[in-house]
Amino acid sequence: DVVMTQSPLSLPVTLGQPASISCRSSQSLVQSDGNSYLNWFQQRPGQSPRRLIYKVSNRDSGVPDRFSGSGSGTDFTLKISRVEAEDVGIYYCEQETQWPLTFGQGTKLEIK
Amino acid sequence: EVHLVESGGGLVQPGESLRLSCTASGFTYSNYWMSWVRQAPGKGLEWVASIKGEGSEKHYIDSVKGRFTISRDNAKNSLFLQMDSLRAEDTAVYFCARLSRSATENYWGQGALVAVSS
Repeated sequence: DVVMTQSPLSLPVTLGQPASISCRSSQSLVQSDGNSYLNWFQQRPGQSPRRLIYKVSNRDSGVPDRFSGSGSGTDFTLKISRVEAEDVGIYYCEQETQWPLTFGQGTKLEIK
Repeated sequence: EVHLVESGGGLVQPGESLRLSCTASGFTYSNYWMSWVRQAPGKGLEWVASIKGEGSEKHYIDSVKGRFTISRDNAKNSLFLQMDSLRAEDTAVYFCARLSRSATENYWGQGALVAVSS
């Protein structure tokens, strides 16, 4: 199974400041079609998860452009250029390159 | 508008069974893979099982193989998770989800709580 490891697990950020979350996979996420099926999800308190980014760097419809994804192979990053109050929650990376689908442990973003 | 609504959660004793249902609306249900993802209290997300649109292909996490069965009824836009031989570690909120590897939008239900305790 592909193990997804996120860091940090806790991320206190000042409003308006940038934030960055790292996600590493135990195996390359590049599939035979050349795509890496790495997603980022946001789960706000008391809500269901919402996908923000798919295939490493593609923002889902309606996701603010302050969210960006990057990376390749086994190392991936989610960046928030300027944190806003509504960004509080837990962020998960997830791979869909191979079965079983696996999630990272989650990174809890809070406002300082 | 897409909606996924789970039902069937509850409190059961170890070794008992429970069947979760998810009713979908707002999209051509039979065209999409559907999945169950769970979240234990205070813990992270864990994928449980997925089923292809026509039901011909299914995948499970190892910890539920042989105990859980995912199925669907495309005529009723419904997804099911039959959970047998339940264990305390199966306690979680179970989300019905339309996951996607591409630009196709993801959708998640609000979740159904399954509690396994004696």
